[in-house]
Amino acid sequence: DQQVKQNSPSLSVQEGRISILNCDYTNSMFDYFLWYKKYPAEGPTFLISISSIKDKNEDGRFTVFLNKSAKHLSLHIVPSQPGDSAVYFCAASRRGGATNKLIFGTGTLLAVQP
Amino acid sequence: GAGVSQSPSNKVTEKGKDVELRCDPISGHTALYWYRQSLGQGLEFLIYFQGNSAPDKSGLPSDRFSAERTGGSVSTLTIQRTQQEDSAVYLCASSLWAGNTIYFGEGSWLTVV
Repeated sequence: DQQVKQNSPSLSVQEGRISILNCDYTNSMFDYFLWYKKYPAEGPTFLISISSIKDKNEDGRFTVFLNKSAKHLSLHIVPSQPGDSAVYFCAASRRGGATNKLIFGTGTLLAVQP
Repeated sequence: GAGVSQSPSNKVTEKGKDVELRCDPISGHTALYWYRQSLGQGLEFLIYFQGNSAPDKSGLPSDRFSAERTGGSVSTLTIQRTQQEDSAVYLCASSLWAGNTIYFGEGSWLTVV
C-alpha cells in the first residue's frame, strides 16, 4: 500500500524555467510534509517542509504547495539550475502519531538542461 | 559530529555472513531512524528509536534484521545470514525529537555476493 506516490519517475526542464514536482498521498492523518533532494552516492538532504495548517511555504527558489482536499503537494523550483539535477523525494508523517516516521515516495529524477 | 555519521560506507560480504552497520546521530537528537533504498526503489522505513527504545519495528523485513541503540546515541543495525536481496544502501537519520525534520547520513552501501 503506497501511501505516498510520485507518479512521475523523471522530469526534464531547461535551465531558467520552472520545475514542478508532484506528490500525492492517501492517508488523511498526515499533517507534515517534506521534500528531500538526493544526489548519487549521497544521503538525502532536507529541502523544505510544510505543516498541514499552511498551504504554501517558500524558501528562496523553492516553494511547496499543499492542497489538503486533493491530498496533493507540489514543489516548485524557480528558476531551475543545472545543480538542481537530482532525485527528489516527497515524504509525509503524522506528527501526533505513535512513531512520527516519514513515509517516502519513490522519487522523481529531475534533469535540468543547460 | 556535525552530521549523522555512518560506517562502514561500503561493505561487500558473502551470502550467509552477518553484518553490522553503525550509526552515530547528530548530538542531542533523541529520535533515530533506519531506512534502506534498494536499486531503483524508494526509501523504505525499517525501524525507529526514541531514546533507546524502538516503538516501531514494523519495517524490518525479517527476523534476520535487528537493531539496537545504546546511551540514547549510537545505533547498530545487524543483518544475520545475509541474502543477495539484502543488497541496498542503508540510511540512518536522526531528528531532535520525533515529528521534527530528520537528517540523513551518507548511507552504508551493502553488497551481498
